[in-house]
Amino acid sequence: NAGVTQTPKFQVLKTGQSMTLQCAQDMNHNSMYWYRQDPGMGLRLIYYSASEGTTDKGEVPNGYNVSRLNKREFSLRLESAAPSQTSVYFCASSDRGSGSWDEQFFGPGTRLTVL
Amino acid sequence: RKEVEQDPGPFNVPEGATVAFNCTYSNSASQSFFWYRQDCRKEPKLLMSVYSSGNEDGRFTAQLNRASQYISLLIRDSKLSDSATYLCVVNDDQFYFGTGTSLTVIP
Repeated sequence: NAGVTQTPKFQVLKTGQSMTLQCAQDMNHNSMYWYRQDPGMGLRLIYYSASEGTTDKGEVPNGYNVSRLNKREFSLRLESAAPSQTSVYFCASSDRGSGSWDEQFFGPGTRLTVL
Repeated sequence: RKEVEQDPGPFNVPEGATVAFNCTYSNSASQSFFWYRQDCRKEPKLLMSVYSSGNEDGRFTAQLNRASQYISLLIRDSKLSDSATYLCVVNDDQFYFGTGTSLTVIP
């Protein structure tokens, strides 16, 4: 099993450009998540999908959109990138979500720089 | 106020030492609690869940105090390979991560 995979691993954008970060999991998990990690801020939840067909905002959703394409795939889109979106982005999955004791499995991350 | 607060450290300890990390959380209705470990430039990975009765996994002991809204992690007989950032995680309506505590074990 590959677990959680993310593409691309690195990306440099100019302000105003758009891009989509891809995430896929092969563990048949119901819940999927997008986080960003910034120095001194820890991981912050951008959006999550508790199950196929549903998406909800997390702590920092502004400037992002998501699509739960199917049970395996959850993509994150930046429509008009800003320097404040320079960060490391992690996708994660778990079998169940809020209130559960289920482990979250993380992808290797995407390092995004917006100039 | 942050949902989860941790002392960022850094903690620099010699091999063989015992070190303890603490974490506080703000929502008394939080339902599940974890410690994750994150190596430099890598993704977080689950270290252990934290149960009300306390739990131990080898050299690692985690404890939860719901009354004080406080979680702890104790590492005994520290190894060089324990050097990492330790993240406190609380799950209520969503997962909330602390900023992490940095540990370096020195030979």
